[in-house]
Amino acid sequence: AQSVTQPDIHITVSEGASLELRCNYSYGATPYLFWYVQSPGQGLQLLLKYFSGDTLVQGIKGFEAEFKRSQSSFNLRKPSVHWSDAAEYFCAVKTSYDKVIFGPGTSLSVIP
Amino acid sequence: DSGVTQTPKHLITATGQRVTLRCSPRSGDLSVYWYQQSLDQGLQFLIQYYNGEERAKGNILERFSAQQFPDLHSELNLSSLELGDSALYFCASSVDGGGRFEETQYFGPGTRLLVL
Repeated sequence: AQSVTQPDIHITVSEGASLELRCNYSYGATPYLFWYVQSPGQGLQLLLKYFSGDTLVQGIKGFEAEFKRSQSSFNLRKPSVHWSDAAEYFCAVKTSYDKVIFGPGTSLSVIP
Repeated sequence: DSGVTQTPKHLITATGQRVTLRCSPRSGDLSVYWYQQSLDQGLQFLIQYYNGEERAKGNILERFSAQQFPDLHSELNLSSLELGDSALYFCASSVDGGGRFEETQYFGPGTRLLVL
């Protein structure tokens, strides 16, 4: 069955430290991949997306993600975290025209 | 502010009742998407409308329905409500381009529904 997993429910990092949020998907072909961020009390904001081409994708707010087909992963990274990055992060996969699956989310806390 | 508006912000109702959630997309956006976010189910895509026509359907229950009007605002109708329907319902919109899901979606602030 198609699925998206985000192994880390909650991550805490210090401000200025690097960040990597993991995302794994289960799908036979190459999916469309997304990362969204949800700040407290807000809707979702698209950080970046991957459809094809270069497997390293640059997004907004200094985020990037790398698609690794062999590992079925699409991990989100940021070299230096800011306190304003504290939020919930969702990985999403679009596997066909009408099927979009979101991961359970990873909650990020940032220590000043 | 994404430019997407949703009303009401909060809604409290009883089991068995019917409610209507409203969404106004950003000016010029033709696609509207509805999502449900709950503690047990997580974030789920419900349905998409593009220029008045249903474009894609996700995990939407038969008790739920949606429509997009000529002025492009959309309504999500939830009927025969159950306790488990308590959730945050988001609307999002995107620009033209065939209403593809891959287009950047701009989310509204959501409507929080509580079914008692």
